[in-house]
Amino acid sequence: ETGVTQSPTHLIKTRGQQVTLRCSSQSGHNTVSWYQQALGQGPQFIFQYYREEENGRGNFPPRFSGLQFPNYSSELNVNALELDDSALYLCASSINQGAGHEQFFGPGTRLTVL
Amino acid sequence: QQQVKQSPQSLIVQKGGISIINCAYENTAFDYFPWYQQFPGKGPALLIAIRPDVSEKKEGRFTISFNKSAKQFSLHIMDSQPGDSATYFCAADYSGNTPLVFGKGTRLSVIA
Repeated sequence: ETGVTQSPTHLIKTRGQQVTLRCSSQSGHNTVSWYQQALGQGPQFIFQYYREEENGRGNFPPRFSGLQFPNYSSELNVNALELDDSALYLCASSINQGAGHEQFFGPGTRLTVL
Repeated sequence: QQQVKQSPQSLIVQKGGISIINCAYENTAFDYFPWYQQFPGKGPALLIAIRPDVSEKKEGRFTISFNKSAKQFSLHIMDSQPGDSATYFCAADYSGNTPLVFGKGTRLSVIA
């Protein structure tokens, strides 16, 4: 069974640029959630995708957007990067939407905005 | 608004000792309380989870104690080992389309 994978591992961008982060969910999982983890903080929910539809969004501006593909992999796009966007971006997959279903996290993508 | 408050921020424990991390929540609708362990450079991994219909759950050296009336839950790590050194996060969510709400984390160092 393949776990959750994310790419790239690290990324350096400058303010104002755009970035795309990728996530491959665990086999059999149809739900993907994205979290932002700032240094020394707990993960903060960005949004969730269930069967290719956005299914819940946290307190993040519209320049954070995403996609889920038919194979349940997902992308997180961030436009007009700001310095405060520097963080570890985590993708988590689960077998169903809703509470109580274990979320399996990937290793994350470390984004640095200069 | 921080819905899950975690303490302490950091913890140093002697090898073989008991590590205790506490969390308090505000939303009484929460009905699932997991603990995650995160090593540097890795994503969080589920350690143990509890639902409010039980007051305690034990898995190996890890125990969750849950106090519904006080809206608190805690993680106890018995016989702490240097390999347990990591950051621990409590979290909560509730039935429906809700995401996990995480505490700010506790950095545990187990020293020999």
